Amino acid sequence: AQSVTQLDSHVSVSEGTPVLLRCNYSSSYSPSLFWYVQHPNKGLQLLLKYTSAATLVKGINGFEAEFKKSETSFHLTKPSAHMSDAAEYFCVVMYNNNDMRFGAGTRLTVKP
Amino acid sequence: DGGITQSPKYLFRKEGQNVTLSCEQNLNHDAMYWYRQDPGQGLRLIYYSQIVNDFQKGDIAEGYSVSREKKESFPLTVTSAQKNPTAFYLCASSPVGRFGNQPQHFGDGTRLSIL
Repeated sequence: AQSVTQLDSHVSVSEGTPVLLRCNYSSSYSPSLFWYVQHPNKGLQLLLKYTSAATLVKGINGFEAEFKKSETSFHLTKPSAHMSDAAEYFCVVMYNNNDMRFGAGTRLTVKP
Repeated sequence: DGGITQSPKYLFRKEGQNVTLSCEQNLNHDAMYWYRQDPGQGLRLIYYSQIVNDFQKGDIAEGYSVSREKKESFPLTVTSAQKNPTAFYLCASSPVGRFGNQPQHFGDGTRLSIL
């Protein structure tokens, strides 16, 4: 069965330090991959997407993610965390136009 | 501005009552989706529709019903058969592209609680 695993349910960083949110997926081929962010009581906002072009994908708000096929990973990074980055982050894998699988989410806390 | 509007933002249901959550989009997207979000579980697909007058069950369709009479609208009814309806409900839409795999756009959700 297709699955998406976010390896950390909660990540805490200090403001100004790097952020790493980890995501692994199961697939026999290269799916489309996305990262979304959700602030409390809000919908999901697309941060970035990978659709078989460049393996390093740049998104909004300084986030980027690297697709590594050999590791079936799509980790999200940001060089320097800001207080406004505190939110829930979802790794999403799309296997076809109908089947979109969400990870369980990683809650990012940013300490001053 | 184009987007997805969900209403109401908060909704309360009495035992044995059906309630309907509204979802309207002006993005001209063909596909629309309903998800349920519970703490620590990510999003689970309830129903989706690729075209007007057609829809398909997702992973957790039992106790829910939908209609798609207009391209812009995809209301979700939570029936009395859904025994644990308390959750955050998210509506999404996406284009149905020639090459598929288009990202989904989300509304701001409806939080449903039991009285």
